[in-house]
Amino acid sequence: DVKVTQSSRYLVKRTGEKVFLECVQDMDHENMFWYRQDPGLGLRLIYFSYDVKMKEKGDIPEGYSVSREKKERFSLILESASTNQTSMYLCASSLLLAGENSYEQYFGPGTRLTVT
Amino acid sequence: QKEVEQNSGPLSVPEGAIASLNCTYSDRGSQSFFWYRQYSGKSPELIMFIYSNGDKEDGRFTAQLNKASQYVSLLIRDSQPSDSATYLCAVSGANNLFFGTGTRLTVIP
Repeated sequence: DVKVTQSSRYLVKRTGEKVFLECVQDMDHENMFWYRQDPGLGLRLIYFSYDVKMKEKGDIPEGYSVSREKKERFSLILESASTNQTSMYLCASSLLLAGENSYEQYFGPGTRLTVT
Repeated sequence: QKEVEQNSGPLSVPEGAIASLNCTYSDRGSQSFFWYRQYSGKSPELIMFIYSNGDKEDGRFTAQLNKASQYVSLLIRDSQPSDSATYLCAVSGANNLFFGTGTRLTVIP
């Protein structure tokens, strides 16, 4: 079974703090993704990575950065947390498939971040 | 921007009935389609995927795909209270999936 783990289930941070969210997958997947999920807005892609040290912006990258130094680990960084970044953050991974197609994504348990 | 549309619901069905969840998508080039179930406060869990036109059955779940109409659906037979959740439709793009906002299903005992 695919296992995707995230460093924290709940996190409370203050405005202006630098926040690190970590994600680890154990299935040797090439692709890793960070989403945030808010009521009524669904899943919104922040960043994804298809290889070590590679990253692509998603729909809402502003205020976030990512790091992928090892294949199994993908970190999301909030450079200076703000209250509008309070959300559920979900990490996912998948195999890489060439062309206009994609394999299924497997999700971690999520981190509920509150910025006060 | 690829669009995936779902009726947000809530959809309420009595226990034992068939629940029908629908999804339309805008990109004719999409080739793979997925259904995820998400319980409140939990992360999405993959329950079905379908690549070819027609029906695909897995237990009480049936996914239906019509590429000409750009329509994919999920049928849940013999609905149980434990099926109460939000169901997300996802459509493939290049190295990524595009998600709908989900349909909330409530199965009434």
